[in-house]
Amino acid sequence: EVQVVESGGGLVKPGGSLRLSCAASGFTFSDYSMNWVRQAPGKGLEWVSSVSASSFFIYYAESVMGRFTISRDNAKNSVDLEMNSLRADDTAVYYCAKAPPPGGGYAFDIWGQGTMVTVSS
Amino acid sequence: QSVLTQPPSVSAAPGQQATISCSGSSSNIGKNSVSWYQQFPGTAPILLIYDINKRPLGIPDRFSGSKSGTSATLGITGLQTGDEADYYCGAWDSSLNAYVFGVGTKVTVL
Repeated sequence: EVQVVESGGGLVKPGGSLRLSCAASGFTFSDYSMNWVRQAPGKGLEWVSSVSASSFFIYYAESVMGRFTISRDNAKNSVDLEMNSLRADDTAVYYCAKAPPPGGGYAFDIWGQGTMVTVSS
Repeated sequence: QSVLTQPPSVSAAPGQQATISCSGSSSNIGKNSVSWYQQFPGTAPILLIYDINKRPLGIPDRFSGSKSGTSATLGITGLQTGDEADYYCGAWDSSLNAYVFGVGTKVTVL
């Protein structure tokens, strides 16, 4: 079964740090771009970051640029999101999502169940 | 505010058709593929349509996508109560070097 599973969410104080992890299985991980998408409580979807299959291309939303770092380990079939200088407006469910094969337009075809990050004092 | 504009809500009777619009610009929908996602409360989104009008395996052909210029449309025919959900459009924005989502549209089956 093709799946991705997030972990690492929790409660953190403003200014603190947290590292999210996403474990992938059921597909050749090193062939696909991977992404993080978040959803604040009661709000819509917000793309956070993307990393290409080889890590050559990395992109961030402006709202997290300079504070979040995405990385992947193709040997371990995992992608991480290191989050620093966390703010209250980073509070959200964070989803790991796989991209389809290149050539079919950018999208997110496999999503994890999400992990909740709460930034509060 | 979102780069892609969607109506906040759409409603239709069971068996009828619902259409959801998604308006963007030349740097996103006008240049790149559009995808659509369905999300039920408390669950992860599901990819419904990618590359404008392609459906992943398992998605019924009641769902269809189209694009014209800088706008895209999701169509749902034979509306069912189980289709009540939030629907989001999305596309890569080549100017922002970012993926952008619409604000989401809540579909209600009357």
